[in-house]
Amino acid sequence: EADIYQTPRYLVIGTGKKITLECSQTMGHDKMYWYQQDPGMELHLIHYSYGVNSTEKGDLSSESTVSRIRTEHFPLTLESARPSHTSQYLCASSRGGEAEAFFGQGTRLTVV
Amino acid sequence: KQEVTQIPAALSVPEGENLVLNCSFTDSAIYNLQWFRQDPGKGLTSLLLIQSSQREQTSGRLNASLDKSSGRSTLYIAASQPGDSATYLCAVKRRTTDSWGKLQFGAGTQVVVTP
Repeated sequence: EADIYQTPRYLVIGTGKKITLECSQTMGHDKMYWYQQDPGMELHLIHYSYGVNSTEKGDLSSESTVSRIRTEHFPLTLESARPSHTSQYLCASSRGGEAEAFFGQGTRLTVV
Repeated sequence: KQEVTQIPAALSVPEGENLVLNCSFTDSAIYNLQWFRQDPGKGLTSLLLIQSSQREQTSGRLNASLDKSSGRSTLYIAASQPGDSATYLCAVKRRTTDSWGKLQFGAGTQVVVTP
């Protein structure tokens, strides 16, 4: 049973607002990931964390930022939301090496 | 640079037929390959994990094979049911020094099983 949680599940917000998408896992995993997925499209890695205080950008450029000050928590922040940020954001975690990855249920963000 | 490709992009079969989904990858420097299921608007559910040293993994009606040397994996779903309708994604966990531990996904195969 995967113990990785994302909140909120759905968010509709106005242009220019600052938002933070939450992701938490209780499995003690060191690797955490944020993916962006537009409707009907493939997943793109936007942020990756090797562990506490270690983050890097993914393969797809994103205006969002992340932090990892606790093992279990990997929030994603948009300082000024725009309609182009409308998408589904999926968080995942894994132990290192050969371990399985687990995904949260996702946050569907709509910026109006 | 790792590329992950899934063929076909979409598949429609009548109930009871077996499903065969293909995944190929270009760089064999991987820890494992994982198959996921995604229902519309939802997150990903892990189906099977195959380590790089394994050739096959089975769970119920699902069987996945891995040929790392040729960069291919196949997911077989036996006796398909309408509840199997979903998008199926494969992902490789990379083990190159510049991408250590990153998951890279294919675009997915959208499956429809008709009653």
